[in-house]
This record gives sequence, C-alpha cells and structure tokens, in this order.
Amino acid sequence: DAKTTQPNSMESNEEEPVHLPCNHSTISGTDYIHWYRQLPSQGPEYVIHGLTSNVNNRMASLAIAEDRKSSTLILHRATLRDAAVYYCILRSGTYKYIFGTGTRLKVLA
Amino acid sequence: GAGVSQSPSNKVTEKGKDVELRCDPISGHTALYWYRQSLGQGLEFLIYFQGNSAPDKSGLPSDRFSAERTGGSVSTLTIQRTQQEDSAVYLCASSSQRLNIQYFGAGTRLSVL
Repeated sequence: DAKTTQPNSMESNEEEPVHLPCNHSTISGTDYIHWYRQLPSQGPEYVIHGLTSNVNNRMASLAIAEDRKSSTLILHRATLRDAAVYYCILRSGTYKYIFGTGTRLKVLA
Repeated sequence: GAGVSQSPSNKVTEKGKDVELRCDPISGHTALYWYRQSLGQGLEFLIYFQGNSAPDKSGLPSDRFSAERTGGSVSTLTIQRTQQEDSAVYLCASSSQRLNIQYFGAGTRLSVL
C-alpha cells in the first residue's frame, strides 16, 4: 500500500500563508490524494482532495506535483482555529484510506 | 443531528470485561468505517462496511474484536476480554457512495484499567 511522509510539526504566524508538504513517492495512477485535519479532542474533518490537477475550495488549496510524488496543502491565511494535526492520505482503491503520521500545525498569535 | 454520532463518548472498563461501542452514521450513507487511534498516533483502519456487501475486516487486530452493522445503518464494535493495550480512541466514519468523503464522529475514548 502506498504511504505518505509528512513533517512531524510546523509553525506559522497568524494571518500568514502555510504550506504543508506531503511526499507519496509510491503513489499509483488511480490513488486520490486527500487531506483531513483533526482538531484537539475531535474526529478528523475533510479538507480537500485531488487526483492530478490543483484544487481550490473555501478551506484551502491543494497543489499536486506534475509527477504526483508529492503535494502541498496551502492555507492562505492561518488563524488560531487552524491549529490541528493535518493528515495527507492516499485513497487506495475505492474506499481504503491509509493515514500517515500527520503534521501538527501550531499557529502563533 | 446531521453528523455521525458515537456513544458512549467515554468508557472505562476493567481488564477482561467486554465492551460495546456504537456508531450512528449519517442518514443515507452506505459506507461505514471504524478506526482506532492510540495516544499521539495516527488512525489505524479496523473494518469497513459497504451496503449489503461482506465487510472488510482486514484491520481487526485480533479475534477479540468484531463489528456488525444492522439494517445497513447503526454499527456496533465489540471488544471481548479487553486488554490494557486496547485503550485508545475508537472513531467511526461514514460516507456516501457518490462522494468518497469520510465524515467522522467525535469518537469513544476507551480506558482499560
């Protein structure tokens, strides 16, 4: 199963952009890249997903490398409420998710 | 409510006892997942249900763990003869067949003394 690699932690200043990287060098052609985040004492929540093209939604942007071996989640203006663990996940097959270790994002006021 | 509901939110039990954890998925969602999250760790896949198909039980760590989903809706995860290493947060998620986005409940925190 394809796996992802993320930095254990990152820091950002409030109202500045944040770029959260993810490496997935063994990704297969049909794997979707999903991002979820988990706030303290809550279940994970969906952020964004994509296959090949960059994606934007109200929460974030997802930039996918041309070879698909890496991707970057972009939070355009970090707020204190964005402090969470961010998971980069490959959707293998039709349903199975493989969660990595995640990146703990700390947002400084 | 509109979200995934899990009960109880916290469960403290003694080693060797059986426990049942319940998950109410979002109405209309055909897929249901159980995960386990140990302290400070990522999510570990346990089991997946999709409609009336046979569940994918490949993530269950031992035969002490079982799960069922009655009527394609509510699911119960049962852990028999609990051990201290079973202590973790057990998370349930559901998704629709059309859009493979998982919606998670808040989890059940299980503590085995």
